[in-house]
Formats: sequence, structure tokens, C-alpha cells
Amino acid sequence: SYVLTQPPSVSVAPGQTARITCGGNNIGSKSVHWYQQKPGQAPVLVVYADSDRPSGIPERFSGSNSGNTATLTISRVEAGDEADYYCQVWDSNSDHPGYVFGTGTKVTVL
Amino acid sequence: EVQLVESGGGLVQPGGSLRLSCAASRFTFSSYWMTWVRQAPGKGLEWVANIKQDGSDKYYVDSVKGRFTISRDNAKNALYLQMNSLRVEDTAVYYCAREGSSSSSAPLDYWGQGTLVTVSS
Repeated sequence: SYVLTQPPSVSVAPGQTARITCGGNNIGSKSVHWYQQKPGQAPVLVVYADSDRPSGIPERFSGSNSGNTATLTISRVEAGDEADYYCQVWDSNSDHPGYVFGTGTKVTVL
Repeated sequence: EVQLVESGGGLVQPGGSLRLSCAASRFTFSSYWMTWVRQAPGKGLEWVANIKQDGSDKYYVDSVKGRFTISRDNAKNALYLQMNSLRVEDTAVYYCAREGSSSSSAPLDYWGQGTLVTVSS
């Protein structure tokens, strides 16, 4: 089955840039979505289709996807960005198609 | 705004059954694929199952195949997850979510607040 690997944690100072990677075999050929989840809350979609933002999501959130790595970039990080972040793709290539989530990355704002 | 409200969670013994419901409102429910996602305590997100607009196509994660059944009632704007032969490892918060487009790789654009299922003796 398809595996998406994320770093367990990323630490960043306020005002700086956080980059969260999502590694998968030829992930550049897939459409990647990113979710933010704060403690005790449901996930929220922050980037879809590699680099598009839903309405209401700040421009500080951006995404890219190429080769074997997709990246979520959070610019000018704020305290409120502290959360867990998950990447996601639809795996249509296996005998058992389905959604796959990354392992998750905890972003800590120093 | 779109609203998804899960219910039906609770404490159940191993081997038992439970039926989760998700009430959808403020959008045309019959036009969207719908998904169940779960999250074990302190763990990451895991996709469980999804269902096509008319219920004709369904997909499941391997770990629940043959035990869980996803269904929907478009007249009632409701999504269901029938869970049988429950195991301790099925303990999780279960979320229902809307797939945001007709594409097979659609993002999950709206989520409910989740319902907790605890499987324990």
C-alpha cells in the first residue's frame, strides 16, 4: 500500500517560515491535500490539489509538489499555527484504492 | 455553512456492534461522495471508508473490510457506518467528512466534530 512519510515535528520561531514535507513514491503525479488539526478539534483543510487554498485560509499557507516530495509552507508563522498537520492523497494504483494520510507533523511555535 | 454532526459512539465490548450516524445539512447531500475517517487516541488520521453519491460504489481500508459497512440515505441526508465484530484497536474518534468534488482524488473539505468509539471489556 502507498505510504506517506512526514517528519514527526517541526519547530519555528514566530515570523519565520515553516516547511513540512510529505514523502511518497512519485507523489508528484498525485493530487496532495493538507489538513491542520488543533488539539480536541476536527481537521481543517488548508491546501488542496497541491497548492490551492480554500476560502478563508490565509495566503501564508502554500503548497508545492514534485518528484517524491510534497511540501506545505507556512510563512510568517503565528502562535495560532501551532497544530498537527497531515498530508493526504488518493491511492488509485493498488488493488485496494483509498485515501492515504501522512504520518503527521507537529508544528511547535517557539 | 455546511454542517455534519456525528452520533452513535459509545462504549462497547470486543466483538460487539455499533452504528454511527452522520446528519448532513446546508448542502445538497446527494451530490457528494462521503467519507469516514478515524483517529485513535494520540495517533494520526486513518481513512476508513467512502461511498459514492448514489451508494453504488464503496471502498474500505483493509483493516475493516468484512466488518464495517458504509451506507447512506439521501432522503434523510444521512451517512452511516455499521461496525460489527469490533476490536480494541477500533477505539477512536470517528469523523464523517464531505469529499469536495466529484474527482476520485477530492479533498475532504468539511468535517464533523467526531464521535468517540471505545472498545473495551
